[in-house]
Amino acid sequence: GAVVSQHPSWVICKSGTSVKIECRSLDFQATTMFWYRQFPKQSLMLMATSNEGSKATYEQGVEKDKFLINHASLTLSTLTVTSAHPEDSSFYICSARGVAGAYRDEQFFGPGTRLTVL
Amino acid sequence: GDSVTQMEGPVTLSEEAFLTINCTYTATGYPSLFWYVQYPGEGLQLLLKATKADDKGSNKGFEATYRKETTSFHLEKGSVQVSDSAVYFCALMGLVGTYKYIFGTGTRLKVLA
Repeated sequence: GAVVSQHPSWVICKSGTSVKIECRSLDFQATTMFWYRQFPKQSLMLMATSNEGSKATYEQGVEKDKFLINHASLTLSTLTVTSAHPEDSSFYICSARGVAGAYRDEQFFGPGTRLTVL
Repeated sequence: GDSVTQMEGPVTLSEEAFLTINCTYTATGYPSLFWYVQYPGEGLQLLLKATKADDKGSNKGFEATYRKETTSFHLEKGSVQVSDSAVYFCALMGLVGTYKYIFGTGTRLKVLA
Protein backbone atom coordinates (compact mmCIF):
# COMPACT_ATOMS: atom_id res chain seq x y z
CA GLY A 1 0.00 0.00 0.00
CA ALA A 2 0.84 3.72 0.07
CA VAL A 3 2.05 4.03 -3.51
CA VAL A 4 2.54 7.44 -5.08
CA SER A 5 3.12 7.79 -8.79
CA GLN A 6 4.37 10.69 -10.87
CA HIS A 7 3.94 11.36 -14.54
CA PRO A 8 5.94 11.88 -16.58
CA SER A 9 9.11 10.40 -15.15
CA TRP A 10 11.16 12.69 -17.34
CA VAL A 11 10.45 15.52 -19.73
CA ILE A 12 12.48 17.71 -22.04
CA CYS A 13 10.98 20.97 -23.21
CA LYS A 14 11.93 24.16 -24.95
CA SER A 15 12.46 27.39 -23.08
CA GLY A 16 9.25 29.37 -22.73
CA THR A 17 6.88 26.42 -22.76
CA SER A 18 4.85 25.10 -19.83
CA VAL A 19 5.12 21.64 -18.36
CA LYS A 20 2.60 19.82 -16.19
CA ILE A 21 3.64 17.12 -13.73
CA GLU A 22 1.05 14.86 -12.12
CA CYS A 23 1.27 13.27 -8.71
CA ARG A 24 -1.20 10.52 -7.80
CA SER A 25 -1.80 8.51 -4.68
CA LEU A 26 -2.77 5.13 -6.06
CA ASP A 27 -4.20 3.25 -3.10
CA PHE A 28 -5.03 5.86 -0.51
CA GLN A 29 -6.62 9.26 -0.24
CA ALA A 30 -4.22 12.12 0.27
CA THR A 31 -5.48 15.21 2.02
CA THR A 32 -2.10 16.85 1.68
CA MET A 33 0.52 16.64 -1.03
CA PHE A 34 3.92 18.24 -0.99
CA TRP A 35 6.10 19.32 -3.88
CA TYR A 36 9.88 19.29 -3.59
CA ARG A 37 12.70 20.29 -5.82
CA GLN A 38 16.07 18.60 -5.74
CA PHE A 39 19.23 19.90 -7.36
CA PRO A 40 22.06 17.50 -8.23
CA LYS A 41 23.73 16.09 -5.14
CA GLN A 42 21.63 18.25 -2.85
CA SER A 43 18.80 17.74 -0.44
CA LEU A 44 15.13 18.20 -1.11
CA MET A 45 13.76 21.70 -0.95
CA LEU A 46 10.09 21.99 -0.09
CA MET A 47 8.37 24.20 -2.63
CA ALA A 48 4.75 24.08 -1.54
CA THR A 49 2.10 22.27 0.41
CA SER A 50 -1.07 21.40 -1.40
CA ASN A 51 -4.35 20.66 0.36
CA GLU A 52 -7.28 19.18 -1.49
CA GLY A 53 -9.80 21.81 -2.45
CA SER A 54 -7.82 24.81 -1.29
CA LYS A 55 -4.98 26.98 -2.47
CA ALA A 56 -1.45 25.75 -2.11
CA THR A 57 0.85 27.22 0.49
CA TYR A 58 4.19 28.18 -0.99
CA GLU A 59 7.50 28.32 0.82
CA GLN A 60 9.39 31.57 0.99
CA GLY A 61 11.19 32.34 -2.23
CA VAL A 62 9.06 30.10 -4.45
CA GLU A 63 7.25 31.96 -7.22
CA LYS A 64 3.55 31.18 -7.11
CA ASP A 65 2.95 32.32 -10.65
CA LYS A 66 5.73 30.19 -12.05
CA PHE A 67 4.90 26.99 -10.17
CA LEU A 68 1.15 26.50 -10.32
CA ILE A 69 -0.21 23.80 -8.07
CA ASN A 70 -3.67 22.29 -8.26
CA HIS A 71 -4.96 19.65 -5.85
CA ALA A 72 -8.30 18.92 -7.44
CA SER A 73 -9.05 15.59 -5.80
CA LEU A 74 -7.94 13.41 -2.91
CA THR A 75 -5.73 11.40 -5.24
CA LEU A 76 -4.29 13.94 -7.66
CA SER A 77 -2.13 17.03 -7.46
CA THR A 78 -0.48 18.74 -10.40
CA LEU A 79 2.49 21.06 -10.65
CA THR A 80 2.72 23.24 -13.74
CA VAL A 81 6.01 24.95 -14.46
CA THR A 82 4.99 27.94 -16.54
CA SER A 83 7.25 29.59 -19.09
CA ALA A 84 10.04 27.24 -18.17
CA HIS A 85 13.65 28.33 -18.45
CA PRO A 86 16.89 26.36 -18.19
CA GLU A 87 17.29 27.31 -14.53
CA ASP A 88 14.05 25.44 -13.82
CA SER A 89 15.73 22.20 -14.85
CA SER A 90 15.65 19.98 -11.82
CA PHE A 91 14.30 16.81 -10.25
CA TYR A 92 10.80 17.40 -8.93
CA ILE A 93 9.46 15.04 -6.29
CA CYS A 94 5.99 14.91 -4.80
CA SER A 95 4.83 13.26 -1.63
CA ALA A 96 1.44 12.57 -0.15
CA ARG A 97 0.02 12.31 3.34
CA GLY A 98 -3.05 10.20 3.85
CA VAL A 99 -6.30 10.78 5.61
CA ALA A 100 -6.07 8.47 8.55
CA GLY A 101 -4.03 5.96 10.48
CA ALA A 102 -0.44 5.28 9.50
CA TYR A 103 -0.97 7.08 6.22
CA ARG A 104 -1.54 10.27 8.17
CA ASP A 105 1.70 10.17 10.09
CA GLU A 106 4.25 10.19 7.32
CA GLN A 107 4.77 11.27 3.77
CA PHE A 108 4.93 8.80 0.90
CA PHE A 109 7.12 9.84 -1.96
CA GLY A 110 6.73 9.58 -5.69
CA PRO A 111 9.61 8.43 -7.90
CA GLY A 112 10.30 11.95 -9.15
CA THR A 113 10.18 13.77 -12.48
CA ARG A 114 13.32 14.99 -14.15
CA LEU A 115 12.71 18.21 -16.06
CA THR A 116 15.24 19.45 -18.58
CA VAL A 117 14.60 22.82 -20.21
CA LEU A 118 16.61 23.51 -23.34
CA GLY B 1 13.28 26.72 13.77
CA ASP B 2 13.53 22.99 13.38
CA SER B 3 16.61 21.61 11.65
CA VAL B 4 18.45 18.40 10.85
CA THR B 5 22.21 18.04 10.62
CA GLN B 6 23.82 15.08 8.93
CA MET B 7 27.43 14.13 8.60
CA GLU B 8 28.90 15.16 5.30
CA GLY B 9 29.78 12.54 2.79
CA PRO B 10 30.75 10.86 0.76
CA VAL B 11 31.31 7.84 2.92
CA THR B 12 33.27 5.07 1.25
CA LEU B 13 33.37 1.64 2.84
CA SER B 14 34.42 -1.84 1.91
CA GLU B 15 31.80 -4.54 1.72
CA GLU B 16 30.92 -6.02 5.14
CA ALA B 17 32.19 -2.95 6.98
CA PHE B 18 30.21 -1.31 9.78
CA LEU B 19 28.27 1.80 8.87
CA THR B 20 27.34 4.78 10.98
CA ILE B 21 25.79 7.92 9.56
CA ASN B 22 25.29 10.59 12.19
CA CYS B 23 22.14 12.66 12.39
CA THR B 24 21.23 15.23 15.01
CA TYR B 25 18.21 17.45 15.16
CA THR B 26 16.84 20.60 16.68
CA ALA B 27 13.13 20.76 17.27
CA THR B 28 10.52 21.98 19.65
CA GLY B 29 8.26 19.34 21.02
CA TYR B 30 8.55 15.70 20.05
CA PRO B 31 9.19 15.21 16.35
CA SER B 32 8.94 11.98 14.44
CA LEU B 33 12.24 10.96 12.88
CA PHE B 34 12.91 9.21 9.58
CA TRP B 35 15.66 7.82 7.44
CA TYR B 36 15.08 7.76 3.70
CA VAL B 37 17.25 6.23 0.99
CA GLN B 38 17.55 7.47 -2.57
CA TYR B 39 19.08 5.33 -5.29
CA PRO B 40 20.45 7.03 -8.42
CA GLY B 41 17.71 8.58 -10.53
CA GLU B 42 14.95 7.54 -8.18
CA GLY B 43 12.72 9.10 -5.55
CA LEU B 44 12.93 8.58 -1.83
CA GLN B 45 12.13 5.33 -0.11
CA LEU B 46 11.41 5.13 3.58
CA LEU B 47 14.07 3.08 5.28
CA LEU B 48 12.93 3.33 8.88
CA LYS B 49 11.26 5.64 11.34
CA ALA B 50 10.75 6.31 15.04
CA THR B 51 7.99 8.35 16.55
CA LYS B 52 9.01 8.72 20.19
CA ALA B 53 12.02 8.73 22.46
CA ASP B 54 13.90 5.43 22.81
CA ASP B 55 12.08 3.91 19.83
CA LYS B 56 14.32 1.89 17.56
CA GLY B 57 13.51 1.77 13.89
CA SER B 58 14.92 -1.10 11.87
CA ASN B 59 14.70 -2.41 8.33
CA LYS B 60 16.94 -4.41 5.99
CA GLY B 61 19.68 -4.60 8.61
CA PHE B 62 19.67 -0.85 9.25
CA GLU B 63 18.86 0.50 12.69
CA ALA B 64 18.45 3.88 14.32
CA THR B 65 17.43 4.77 17.87
CA TYR B 66 15.59 7.97 18.79
CA ARG B 67 17.78 9.55 21.49
CA LYS B 68 16.06 12.54 22.99
CA GLU B 69 18.82 13.25 25.49
CA THR B 70 21.35 13.71 22.69
CA THR B 71 18.80 14.77 20.04
CA SER B 72 20.22 12.17 17.71
CA PHE B 73 19.01 9.49 15.32
CA HIS B 74 22.17 7.86 13.98
CA LEU B 75 21.84 5.25 11.26
CA GLU B 76 23.81 2.02 11.65
CA LYS B 77 24.31 -1.21 9.80
CA GLY B 78 26.58 -4.01 10.89
CA SER B 79 27.68 -5.22 7.46
CA VAL B 80 27.12 -3.14 4.36
CA GLN B 81 26.75 -4.48 0.86
CA VAL B 82 27.50 -2.97 -2.52
CA SER B 83 23.76 -2.69 -3.08
CA ASP B 84 23.54 -0.27 -0.13
CA SER B 85 25.33 2.38 -2.16
CA ALA B 86 22.92 5.31 -2.25
CA VAL B 87 22.20 8.67 -0.65
CA TYR B 88 20.69 8.57 2.82
CA PHE B 89 18.54 11.39 4.18
CA CYS B 90 17.62 11.99 7.77
CA ALA B 91 14.37 13.88 8.29
CA LEU B 92 12.03 15.03 11.00
CA MET B 93 8.38 15.84 11.00
CA GLY B 94 7.92 18.38 13.71
CA LEU B 95 5.54 21.22 13.31
CA VAL B 96 2.25 19.99 14.70
CA GLY B 97 -0.52 20.18 12.18
CA THR B 98 1.64 20.89 9.15
CA TYR B 99 3.18 17.46 8.65
CA LYS B 100 6.10 19.15 6.96
CA TYR B 101 9.39 17.35 6.74
CA ILE B 102 12.73 18.94 7.41
CA PHE B 103 15.49 17.07 5.60
CA GLY B 104 19.16 16.85 6.27
CA THR B 105 21.54 17.47 3.40
CA GLY B 106 21.96 13.78 2.65
CA THR B 107 24.98 11.50 2.96
CA ARG B 108 26.25 9.63 -0.04
CA LEU B 109 27.41 6.10 0.72
CA LYS B 110 29.62 4.15 -1.64
CA VAL B 111 30.37 0.53 -0.85
CA LEU B 112 33.23 -1.12 -2.66
CA ALA B 113 33.38 -4.83 -3.42
